[in-house]
Formats: sequence, C-alpha cells, structure tokens
Amino acid sequence: AQSVTQPDIHITVSEGASLELRCNYSYGATPYLFWYVQSPGQGLQLLLKYFSGDTLVQGIKGFEAEFKRSQSSFNLRKPSVHWSDAAEYFCAVGAGNEKLTFGTGTRLTIIP
Amino acid sequence: KAGVTQTPRYLIKTRGQQVTLSCSPISGHRSVSWYQQTPGQGLQFLFEYFSETQRNKGNFPGRFSGRQFSNSRSEMNVSTLELGDSALYLCASSTGQTSGNTIYFGEGSWLTVV
Repeated sequence: AQSVTQPDIHITVSEGASLELRCNYSYGATPYLFWYVQSPGQGLQLLLKYFSGDTLVQGIKGFEAEFKRSQSSFNLRKPSVHWSDAAEYFCAVGAGNEKLTFGTGTRLTIIP
Repeated sequence: KAGVTQTPRYLIKTRGQQVTLSCSPISGHRSVSWYQQTPGQGLQFLFEYFSETQRNKGNFPGRFSGRQFSNSRSEMNVSTLELGDSALYLCASSTGQTSGNTIYFGEGSWLTVV
C-alpha cells in the first residue's frame, strides 16, 4: 500500500529565509506526487505536481520540488518565504485513477 | 472556469441526525472524491465517483454514503451522526483519466455534531 511521510509536524522560519519541507513516499510503481497548501479554514490548493519527466518541478507562489527516486523523496523548497506562506502543507501520492494518499501535513509558521 | 463548489460551508447537527453535503465539480470533470479531515486523523479518503459509479472506497462505516448524478454533481450523506463525525469534509474533482490526474479541491464543508 502506498504511504507518505512528512517527518516535520511544525516548522518555523524567518521571513526571507529559505524553506525546505520534507516528504518521503512508499509506492510500488512510479507515483504521481503532489504538494498542496491549506490556509486556515480553507480547502487545499495545488502548489505543484510531478507525473514524469524533469525531476525538478516548478509550482505556483515561487515553490519548487525535486523528485528523487533513489531517496523516495519529493521535498518542497522556496528560496525566500513571505509571511503569507504561513499555512499547512500536504504532500500526497497517487497513481492512475487511484485515490490520493496524504501525509499528515507540516504546519509552517513565519516569524518577522 | 469555476472551481469546485461545496455547500453548505458550515453546519451544526445533533447526534443521531443525518446530513447531506453537496459538491459541484469543475466543468468537464467526471470524477468526484470525498475526504474527511480531522485534527487527529488528518485527511482520510471516503470514496470516489466516476460517471455515476463508485470507483474507489475508503475504510469508513456504512453510515457514510455518496452518489453522483448525471451532471457529475455529487452528494455525500452521513446518517446517525456521532460526535466523532465532526470534521471538515472536502470534495475534489478531476477528469478521472487513468493517468496524469490532477485533483482540485473545494473549500470544504465544516460539520459540527453536538
């Protein structure tokens, strides 16, 4: 069965600092990988996705993620965070028309 | 293009009652999935409908049910509500293709059971 691990429950970074959120997955075949962001009281917004091809994926709001098959990882990065990036971030894995399996999320706090 | 629309956004129900939540997918999307989000359990998959047929199902009791209409709109129903059913219920839609599916979420329906 597929699974996703987000080892960091909560991360705090200073505004303007770089960010990396970790995601590890377990899946038997080549997975489809996603990062979603959820602001308080809101639904999930898609940041980026990886299906195939270039392992470095660019998303919205200046985010990028890199798929590393050898490490079963799909870490999310941003070179300089803004206060508006404070939210909860979810990594998800799926394949074909199967359901998405989500990680438990990482809550990001930005300090001025 | 309008996004995924869920109604109602907020509702309060009493234990033992039932509730119906509605979801209108993005135009042209034929797949609708439902997820339950709680602080303790995170995001849990309920079920997925494609062309009016349930295609995938999560591990929830039979009190949770759903259906999809010919226009792809979907409803989910929870009968005999329990306090633990209090959650954010998220609907998501996609084209339902067998590969390269991108799933888009609505803003959710907040259900409080008292």
